[in-house]
Amino acid sequence: AQSVTQLDSHVSVSEGTPVLLRCNYSSSYSPSLFWYVQHPNKGLQLLLKYTSAATLVKGINGFEAEFKKSETSFHLTKPSAHMSDAAEYFCVVSGLTGGGNKLTFGTGTQLKVEL
Amino acid sequence: GAGVSQSPSNKVTEKGKDVELRCDPISGHTALYWYRQSLGQGLEFLIYFQGNSAPDKSGLPSDRFSAERTGGSVSTLTIQRTQQEDSAVYLCASSSSGTDTDTQYFGPGTRLTVL
Repeated sequence: AQSVTQLDSHVSVSEGTPVLLRCNYSSSYSPSLFWYVQHPNKGLQLLLKYTSAATLVKGINGFEAEFKKSETSFHLTKPSAHMSDAAEYFCVVSGLTGGGNKLTFGTGTQLKVEL
Repeated sequence: GAGVSQSPSNKVTEKGKDVELRCDPISGHTALYWYRQSLGQGLEFLIYFQGNSAPDKSGLPSDRFSAERTGGSVSTLTIQRTQQEDSAVYLCASSSSGTDTDTQYFGPGTRLTVL
């Protein structure tokens, strides 16, 4: 079955420490991969997108993600967390079904940043 | 330019009533998507419009749900005879027809509460 899995439903870090949000996908095709962020009572904002041009993708707000085909992973990282990073993060895959651009969302990871 | 807009931002209705939710995509975007975000189901695809092609309705949960897109721009999602399980945030997204067709930009959503 084709799917996207976010391995942690909740992650808690201290401000100034690194962030790692994990995502794995399963697909027979070569999907496009995204990370979106959703702050409380806000819409989804695109953080970054994997386009196959480079395996390390840099996004907004200091986030980046590395595509590892051998591990079918697309983990999101940030060297130093800020209080404003507290939000829910979604790993998203496009084209999992091999046709069209329908997005398949992971279940989300709630990031908490503590002082 | 302006992003995706949705109205109303909040809608409270009584069980059995019909509701209409509106989405105004980014100007010039040919593709429009509806998703639903609920506590129990996460983020789910509902329906997809691409230009003048027949819409992909494969995600609509029942025949009480329908959507149309007039003039290739504004879209309306209609839910008839609403049920309490329809309570959710309904998100609209649009994407362009250029080189970045699979990047979707989301509106702020409509929070629907069915009493």
